[in-house]
Amino acid sequence: GAVVSQHPSRVICKSGTSVKIECRSLDFQATTMFWYRQFPKKSLMLMATSNEGSKATYEQGVEKDKFLINHASLTLSTLTVTSAHPEDSSFYICSARAGFGNTEAFFGQGTRLTVV
Amino acid sequence: KQEVTQIPAALSVPEGENLVLNCSFTDSAIYNLQWFRQDPGKGLTSLLLIQSSQREQTSGRLNASLDKSSGRSTLYIAASQPGDSATYLCAVGGGLTGGGNKLTFGTGTQLKVEL
Repeated sequence: GAVVSQHPSRVICKSGTSVKIECRSLDFQATTMFWYRQFPKKSLMLMATSNEGSKATYEQGVEKDKFLINHASLTLSTLTVTSAHPEDSSFYICSARAGFGNTEAFFGQGTRLTVV
Repeated sequence: KQEVTQIPAALSVPEGENLVLNCSFTDSAIYNLQWFRQDPGKGLTSLLLIQSSQREQTSGRLNASLDKSSGRSTLYIAASQPGDSATYLCAVGGGLTGGGNKLTFGTGTQLKVEL
């Protein structure tokens, strides 16, 4: 299957700082990328959908000013957690598709964010 | 709103046993259904993708079926091995209430295969 690389895999930051997470599709062009958040022993919660060159679409209840998403190219999307607080500590996972809804989705390795 | 449920939530079996994981969804107008594997602290590995026009897909010891009209899918794992221990997630793509391009995930089945 196609490869999606997410970096970093783990990050610890101080409360009030910002953290950027990168998601890259290594061997295909991702027209759409998705960002998920996963709480312990829970399933994945979709945060936002981003299409290359346009603004991300955020799910209800997700603060777009806190979770900034940029999809500047067909192979790179970034999630920036701004002014992080301990409650933002979580596992963040990105996903990418080469086409629309009937194409296979591939996932990154995830990023464990800990805010202290 | 599309809702996806997986049963059982947890399963422990002896090595070598064949097993079935279940997934049900409320909105049958889907594009596809995907099964994933997640190891602790890791991302998701895609196992099988079934398009809405298909009834099943096979890969090695894995076989996934889809009955769109009844809103059900099963993942069959033959001759289970300790290395199969992981959380298995099903996700449905699209649907009238799911949002065309999105995946809606189930709650997962945590599988443990014991020696």
